[in-house]
Amino acid sequence: QVQLVESGGGLVKPGGSLRLSCAASGFTFSDYYMTWIRQTPRKGLEWVSYISSTGSTIFYADSVKGRFTISRDNAKNLLYLQMNSLRVDDTAVYYCAKKWLAFDSWGQGTLVTVSS
Amino acid sequence: AIQMTQSPSSLSASVGDRVTISCRASQGIRNDLGWYQQKPGKAPKLLIYAASSLQNGVPSRFSGSGSGTDFTLTISSLQPEDFATYYCLQDHNYPYTFGQGTKLEIK
Repeated sequence: QVQLVESGGGLVKPGGSLRLSCAASGFTFSDYYMTWIRQTPRKGLEWVSYISSTGSTIFYADSVKGRFTISRDNAKNLLYLQMNSLRVDDTAVYYCAKKWLAFDSWGQGTLVTVSS
Repeated sequence: AIQMTQSPSSLSASVGDRVTISCRASQGIRNDLGWYQQKPGKAPKLLIYAASSLQNGVPSRFSGSGSGTDFTLTISSLQPEDFATYYCLQDHNYPYTFGQGTKLEIK
């Protein structure tokens, strides 16, 4: 069955960097668009970034543009989110999700805490 | 960005009740809307896509309707496992945007 497993979250100081990974299995990863979505108690669910199946098309939310970079390795079935210049308000649970007609599979999430 | 206004923000209901949750888009989004259910500590789960199509494995008591700017999620007969938070999401234009959620609680 489809499985998405995020990793790489943790505690980081403002201005720091983290790289999140999402390991995919149970489906042909290279056939699907992938996305990162984050959630905070205050702001709810927020779409962060999208990458097409080949990686040729990428979009970002304005709140992370210029600081975050999404990428994928189809040979390794891995999705990444490189997060630089982290801010306190980037603190959230980050989910990766697979998109077909909608976000039909999600990982369990990884917590990123940005705090001094 | 398209704004999604979801109502109500919370709702108390009893097992067996019929409930409806609404979502309004700030501009037309055709039928590019999904509904998701989230339980505490878990990732959201897709219930409805393309406004009215039931995701595989989701009970038929869930249904969606609407097009353009106004959408509705209906649960025909609430079951104990349905008490959760529900979100709409528009995937018509980037940035994709979620409603603020409806927390469905037991009366």
